[in-house]
Amino acid sequence: QKEVEQNSGPLSVPEGAIASLNCTYSDRGSQSFFWYRQYSGKSPELIMSIYSNGDKEDGRFTAQLNKASQYVSLLIRDSQPSDSATYLCAVMPGQNFVFGPGTRLSVLP
Amino acid sequence: DTGVSQNPRHKITKRGQNVTFRCDPISEHNRLYWYRQTLGQGPEFLTYFQNEAQLEKSRLLSDRFSAERPKGSFSTLEIQRTEQGDSAMYLCASSWLAGGSNEQFFGPGTRLTVL
Repeated sequence: QKEVEQNSGPLSVPEGAIASLNCTYSDRGSQSFFWYRQYSGKSPELIMSIYSNGDKEDGRFTAQLNKASQYVSLLIRDSQPSDSATYLCAVMPGQNFVFGPGTRLSVLP
Repeated sequence: DTGVSQNPRHKITKRGQNVTFRCDPISEHNRLYWYRQTLGQGPEFLTYFQNEAQLEKSRLLSDRFSAERPKGSFSTLEIQRTEQGDSAMYLCASSWLAGGSNEQFFGPGTRLTVL
């Protein structure tokens, strides 16, 4: 069973703080990793992709990948109330995606 | 608009009826995926196409589900003899498999309610 695990939350952070979202995966052969944001009632929206160990930054978002530990994370700096959503981690162990259950983030004004 | 589109956006049907959903991917994308999502869960993979070929189908997909992608363009997902457990959001995503990038972009989804 190829699994992706995330804390379901909710994760609550004050406005302006750093939100840290974590994801672990079971298939060591996975090579592609993605973070999606999903607002209630809407479809997932791609935030970032990461393929190599280390950090990848895009604006307020930083994705971190550690393949040895089978761990991928997303940091959101200067969190805003508009960042309140469910964040989905997706892993590509083969040719299809396996999604985690998502972590619900709440940014408090 | 060059994004992924899905129709209808909402579908209410009675148990036992057949339903069909349509997905139009981003025009240059060669891969198309179908997912099902229920409340509080991440999207669950159903099947995917590369061009017109259906390359993988989830073991969770019963024989009541069938998908097609004629001519490698739009795709349809049909559910026969619907059951209440089929109620979910059905999501379509497309991607361009090239150069190691596999980023998928989702359509707005079709919400199915089976009464």
